[in-house]
Amino acid sequence: SQKIEQNSEALNIQEGKTATLTCNYTNYSPAYLQWYRQDPGRGPVFLLLIRENEKEKRKERLKVTFDTTLKQSLFHITASQPADSATYLCALQKKGAGSYQLTFGKGTKLSVIP
Amino acid sequence: DTEVTQTPKHLVMGMTNKKSLKCEQHMGHRAMYWYKQKAKKPPELMFVYSYEKLSINESVPSRFSPECPNSSLLNLHLHALQPEDSALYLCASSQDQLGRREQFFGPGTRLTVL
Repeated sequence: SQKIEQNSEALNIQEGKTATLTCNYTNYSPAYLQWYRQDPGRGPVFLLLIRENEKEKRKERLKVTFDTTLKQSLFHITASQPADSATYLCALQKKGAGSYQLTFGKGTKLSVIP
Repeated sequence: DTEVTQTPKHLVMGMTNKKSLKCEQHMGHRAMYWYKQKAKKPPELMFVYSYEKLSINESVPSRFSPECPNSSLLNLHLHALQPEDSALYLCASSQDQLGRREQFFGPGTRLTVL
């Protein structure tokens, strides 16, 4: 069966350090992979999208890598700040029934400690 | 305007009630989605509308009835719900009707079924 695993349910990191979150998948061939941030009681907010033929994408302090051989994506936040504390969701897309549906991982709750 | 709005923010209903959730976007997006999210779980896709037509129904019970009156509005009609239907209901939209691009989420409606 298809699985999306975000290895850590929770990750604590010191302010200023780089946070690295992992998303692994099995029995899946995604065309796109997206990362979202979700704060408690709020809807997810889109951060980055990476295509299957791309290795790396950057946006300000964020970087995502996509290794289709390892079936893994890494999400990095450099110079982390307490305001980065949130749950980060990995979401995979493959085409099905005429559209690309998002399937989310369970998320990693990041806490940046001052 | 890059916002998806949802009303109401909170809803408490009995199992015999009929209520509706509303979602609105003015970004010109042609794909709109309903998701259900339980506590500490990822969002789960319920319905997808593409060009105001229902394109995906993820085997959702008939007590949930979606409606897309026009390209900016999405409703979710609720009838005879069960306590286990209590959750955060999220609406989202995307520019690409195939859903290849990022999704913009609303803040959600917190539903409690008594």
